[in-house]
Amino acid sequence: GAGVSQSPRYKVAKRGQDVALRCDPISGHVSLFWYQQALGQGPEFLTYFQNEAQLDKSGLPSDRFFAERPEGSVSTLKIQRTQQEDSAVYLCASSLVGLAGFGEQYFGPGTRLTVT
Amino acid sequence: GESVGLHLPTLSVQEGDNSIINCAYSNSASDYFIWYKQESGKGPQFIIDIRSNMDKRQGQRVTVLLNKTVKHLSLQIAATQPGDSAVYFCAENGSSNTGKLIFGQGTTLQVKP
Repeated sequence: GAGVSQSPRYKVAKRGQDVALRCDPISGHVSLFWYQQALGQGPEFLTYFQNEAQLDKSGLPSDRFFAERPEGSVSTLKIQRTQQEDSAVYLCASSLVGLAGFGEQYFGPGTRLTVT
Repeated sequence: GESVGLHLPTLSVQEGDNSIINCAYSNSASDYFIWYKQESGKGPQFIIDIRSNMDKRQGQRVTVLLNKTVKHLSLQIAATQPGDSAVYFCAENGSSNTGKLIFGQGTTLQVKP
C-alpha cells in the first residue's frame, strides 16, 4: 500500500527564495506532523494538524515558516526568504489517531533542502 | 527543558551478536515511547513502542525495556544482522496531547560481518 510521500525529494534554493514542500499522507490519517532534521541530529517537531486544523505550531522557528492542510489531506510547508540555516531534511509523518491518542507515526522519505 | 538523549553515538557489533541501545529521557510526564530506525536517505521507520504502564515489550527480534524510576529506555536487538545497520532514535511524547514526538540525537549501529 502507499505510504507517506513527499515532493520534491531534493530542493536547492538560493538564499532569499521561497520554497514549498508537499506531503501526501496515508489516506484516512487524521494527524499530520512536520519535523525538521538537521544533519546528524534527530528530527525536531515543527507543526501538527488534526484534519485541516493546525493545532500546534510551536516548533516553527520563525514567521517565515508557514504550513497548511486545507482539505485535511495533502499538506504544504512553505518557507519564505530562505536562509542558510534552513538547510535540513523536512520530514512529514501521518498517524491514524487524533488528539491524545497513541498511534504509530508513519514517516515519509523527507525533502532535503539546501540553501546556497 | 524537555530532552531525550542517547548514551553512545556509535555502537559496533559483530553479526549474530545481540545489540543494546540505550536512551535517557528527562520528561517525567512522558507516557509513550518509541524506537525508530533510520537508514540513509530514508525517513524514520517505526520499530517498537511502549506505554508507561509497561516495563517490557517484545517484538520480532527486538525488545524494549522501560525503567521509569531512572528514566531509561533501551532497545535490544537479538542476533543482529547487517540489515540492522542504521541510526536508531528513541522518542517520547513529552507532556503534549497532540502526539508530537521529542527525538534523541541517535545512535549509529554498525554491524560487522
